[in-house]
Order: sequence, then structure tokens, then C-alpha cells
Amino acid sequence: GEDVEQSLFLSVREGDSSVINCTYTDSSSTYLYWYKQEPGAGLQLLTYIFSNMDMKQDQRLTVLLNKKDKHLSLRIADTQTGDSAIYFCAETSYTGGFKTIFGAGTRLFVKA
Amino acid sequence: DVKVTQSSRYLVKRTGEKVFLECVQDMDHENMFWYRQDPGLGLRLIYFSYDVKMKEKGDIREGYSVSREKKERFSLILESASTNQTSMYLCAHRRRENTEAFFGQGTRLTVV
Repeated sequence: GEDVEQSLFLSVREGDSSVINCTYTDSSSTYLYWYKQEPGAGLQLLTYIFSNMDMKQDQRLTVLLNKKDKHLSLRIADTQTGDSAIYFCAETSYTGGFKTIFGAGTRLFVKA
Repeated sequence: DVKVTQSSRYLVKRTGEKVFLECVQDMDHENMFWYRQDPGLGLRLIYFSYDVKMKEKGDIREGYSVSREKKERFSLILESASTNQTSMYLCAHRRRENTEAFFGQGTRLTVV
């Protein structure tokens, strides 16, 4: 079945860049997403990319997609303490009727 | 404002009880989902529904059923609660496959 994998923890210093990586297995993935979950809250969409794109930039966020390697990354420039959260990679594809599959989530710790 | 309402934030039930988790959305969206979130495992899809009375099984099927009698309401049912169903349950909805999914705050269910 489809699978999405990401590392569980990342620690960075305030002001540095954070890079969160994700790999997925479904070659028919059409949409890939990054969601953010703050403590005690639900998930909030940060950004998304269509599978025919290789990069998307949105203010401090840069998403890179390597479709050949099935690798997605999220770069957060000038990371702030308010960026501390769990970041989930997710993909939606035609396989299985457009259900969305999530990774385990990467917990980002930002040290002041 | 987007509103996804889950019936309870915290719930404690006894083993063997029948449990109903309700999710209501006010955006007239077709797709609705139930996920469970466990540490280190991320979000795992239990069921999703792409229209009234339509449902598809996700990755976790045993011990769960769902009901979608009205477009705005998607109910998750634990027929006979067990301790391994202790988890955070998240409801989500979206208009169609390439759009943002909106998440509720979650219901933390403890089965004792």
C-alpha cells in the first residue's frame, strides 16, 4: 500500500533554516502537502504542491519535490520559536480513491 | 470561519462499551475523514466518505464503523471499545481531492 515516511525529530537554533524531509511510495501521487500541528490543536495546512511542479515558495517556506526519487522537503527560513510544532507530510493520489495518506510527523524543536 | 466540530475533546469509556464520535462541518464539503493519531505513527486513516451514505475503509478497519446519513455529519462508531483504541481521533473534511483538508481539534479517547 501507499506509505509516507519522515524522520521523527529535528532540532534547530532560532534564526537558522530548518529542512524537514519526506519520502513517499505512490508514484501516482497527485498532490503533496505539509501540515502543521501545534500542541493541543488540530492540523493546519501550511502549503501544498502539485506533482507536476518541482518547487514552490511561500514567504519563509520553500517546498522542493523530486518526483523521480519520490522525495519532498520543507525548508523554513529564519526559524522562530513559534515554528516549534509537529510537521506532517501527506499525499493524495488516485490510488485508493483520492484518500490522503499522512506521514508520522516530524517534531521540530527550536532552541532560543 | 471554518468550523469543524467534534462532539467531545476528552472521553473516557469502559472496555466493551459502544462509543459514538460525532463530527459536524458547516462548509457543505463532500469528503469527510476519520483518522486516529498515535505517537510515532502519525495519522492513520480509519474511514473516509466522499458523499452521503458513501464510505471507504482506510488502513485501520477492525473495531470501527461509520455513518454518513447527512452531508454535514460523519460519525465514527466503536462497536465494543477496547484498550488498544485509546487514541486521539481527528475528523477532517475537504471539498474535493485537490483542496485543503480542514481538521477538528480532536477527541482524546481513553478506554479503561
